Amino acid sequence: GAVVSQHPSWVICKSGTSVKIECRSLDFQATTMFWYRQFPKQSLMLMATSNEGSKATYEQGVEKDKFLINHASLTLSTLTVTSAHPEDSSFYICSASPDNEQFFGPGTRLTVL
Amino acid sequence: SQQGEEDPQALSIQEGENATMNCSYKTSINNLQWYRQNSGRGLVHLILIRSNEREKHSGRLRVTLDTSKKSSSLLITASRAADTASYFCATDVGYNFNKFYFGSGTKLNVKP
Repeated sequence: GAVVSQHPSWVICKSGTSVKIECRSLDFQATTMFWYRQFPKQSLMLMATSNEGSKATYEQGVEKDKFLINHASLTLSTLTVTSAHPEDSSFYICSASPDNEQFFGPGTRLTVL
Repeated sequence: SQQGEEDPQALSIQEGENATMNCSYKTSINNLQWYRQNSGRGLVHLILIRSNEREKHSGRLRVTLDTSKKSSSLLITASRAADTASYFCATDVGYNFNKFYFGSGTKLNVKP
């Protein structure tokens, strides 16, 4: 199947700093990618739809100025958590699809101290 | 969850027994998919069932879909210790396919 990668796989940062997470489709092009957040022992929550060449679409309750999404190419979307706080600590997962099947990245664990 | 609930929240069974997990959702769907997730890891796609299908099989997995009740079930037969994981249903609701909302998940523990 298609492969989606994320980088980094884990990151620890200080409160107030910004963190960038990359999501890449390795063997296909994706005009749309999706970003999810998962808190411990909870389900995945869709945060936003990343659209190549246009603005991201955010789900209700997700702060667009807090979670900046850039989809600059057909194989790369980035999520930047700005001015991170401990409550932003979570597992962030992206997904992309070459067809009707969704492929998920391995996730990035963010810990904000 | 954004889309619906799964029950049970947790399930503990002995190896060899069958495990049944249920998922309910709120809106009309294009398709419904089931995923598993080992603790702290990424998602593994298990099976997809389209909105016009009622039942699907894949190895030891059997999925049913009842769109009138907005519910689905996942049956794992002859469970193994390696099946221990969290299982999530995800509904594809987007106008453009692949926008997924996940259920709350079922944590399955299969005891050897």
